[in-house]
Amino acid sequence: AQRVTQPEKLLSVFKGAPVELKCNYSYSGSPELFWYVQYSRQRLQLLLRHISRESIKGFTADLNKGETSFHLKKPFAQEEDSAMYYCALLFLTGSARQLTFGSGTQLTVLP
Amino acid sequence: DVKVTQSSRYLVKRTGEKVFLECVQDMDHENMFWYRQDPGLGLRLIYFSYDVKMKEKGDIPEGYSVSREKKERFSLILESASTNQTSMYLCASSRDRDGTEAFFGQGTRLTVV
Repeated sequence: AQRVTQPEKLLSVFKGAPVELKCNYSYSGSPELFWYVQYSRQRLQLLLRHISRESIKGFTADLNKGETSFHLKKPFAQEEDSAMYYCALLFLTGSARQLTFGSGTQLTVLP
Repeated sequence: DVKVTQSSRYLVKRTGEKVFLECVQDMDHENMFWYRQDPGLGLRLIYFSYDVKMKEKGDIPEGYSVSREKKERFSLILESASTNQTSMYLCASSRDRDGTEAFFGQGTRLTVV
């Protein structure tokens, strides 16, 4: 069965330090992966998707099929990056496609 | 400004009560979703709907039902609330059926006592 694992519940880094939020998946089909972010007292929103291969707010994520990973990275963390981050996998179920989310990582960027 | 509006931000109900969580979107989206968000468990899909009067079960539909009588409104119903349904509930609507670019509501924090 498909599964998304985010091993870190909490992650703290200092401002200006690199940050990497880990995401691993298991899925027998062709994976499509996403990162979502929820800032304090704001709505959950899409941050980036692997097929677009773009950098959003300085974040990038590369799909590594060999390691079944989709880690989110930023070279220099900022305090405004503090938020809850969810990794998600789009999978095929019957005739529909459905998202399954990881358990989330709360990132705190310290001054 | 596009909006997904959930009728209540906080709700406290007693065990055994029938509970209605309302969600309205103004984007003319056909696809709507209900998730629950729990610490350590992430988001889990309860139900979704691709059209009026259409509904599909998600990963955790037990104890819940939904109603989609109008395109813009998707209601989540807890037939007989239990304490293990205490959670944050998120509604979302999307132009695409996948829901990957969905707009989420602010959430309803439901406490069942």
